[in-house]
Amino acid sequence: GENVEQHPSTLSVQEGDSAVIKCTYSDSASNYFPWYKQELGKRPQLIIDIRSNVGEKKDQRIAVTLNKTAKHFSLHITETQPEDSAVYFCAAREGFQKLVFGTGTRLLVSP
Amino acid sequence: GAGVSQSPSNKVTEKGKDVELRCDPISGHTALYWYRQSLGQGLEFLIYFQGNSAPDKSGLPSDRFSAERTGGSVSTLTIQRTQQEDSAVYLCASSLAGTSVSYEQYFGPGTRLTVT
Repeated sequence: GENVEQHPSTLSVQEGDSAVIKCTYSDSASNYFPWYKQELGKRPQLIIDIRSNVGEKKDQRIAVTLNKTAKHFSLHITETQPEDSAVYFCAAREGFQKLVFGTGTRLLVSP
Repeated sequence: GAGVSQSPSNKVTEKGKDVELRCDPISGHTALYWYRQSLGQGLEFLIYFQGNSAPDKSGLPSDRFSAERTGGSVSTLTIQRTQQEDSAVYLCASSLAGTSVSYEQYFGPGTRLTVT
């Protein structure tokens, strides 16, 4: 089955800096990769996703890149703000709808 | 519209007791998922329901765990003879479903289970 690894487990940046979170997956058949943000005490929410037919997708300050050959994908947050502080989870689709999640990255943005 | 709801929001139970956790998915969502999130940990897949198909139970950690989905809507996760290691937040999610398209999973607020 699919296995997703996520790094780093924690990431501290200064406000305005960029943050990058990286994930690798094992199943070359996976074709959908979402990223979820979970603020403290709240439910995970989708922030961006990418499908295997594209290499990059952007939404304002957030971008995701995908390298199918290397089987890794990354989340890039530019101009970080304190409200970006949260735990971020990557995931890869296994089969039709099941998602396999990474272990999460705790991002702390200091003012 | 209404999102995914779960009840109870918190549950404290004694070791060895059975518990039932409920999930009400978004109306029209045929796919329903249960995850477990231990303190400071990631999202551990438990079980997945898709329409009338047999559920994917591959993530259930032991035979003490079971889940049902009645009428293609509400789901109940049951944990029998609870153990302290079952303490976690149990999250439910639902989504539209298709064989070739992936849809966003919408999460409920979770049930925090504490086994004493």
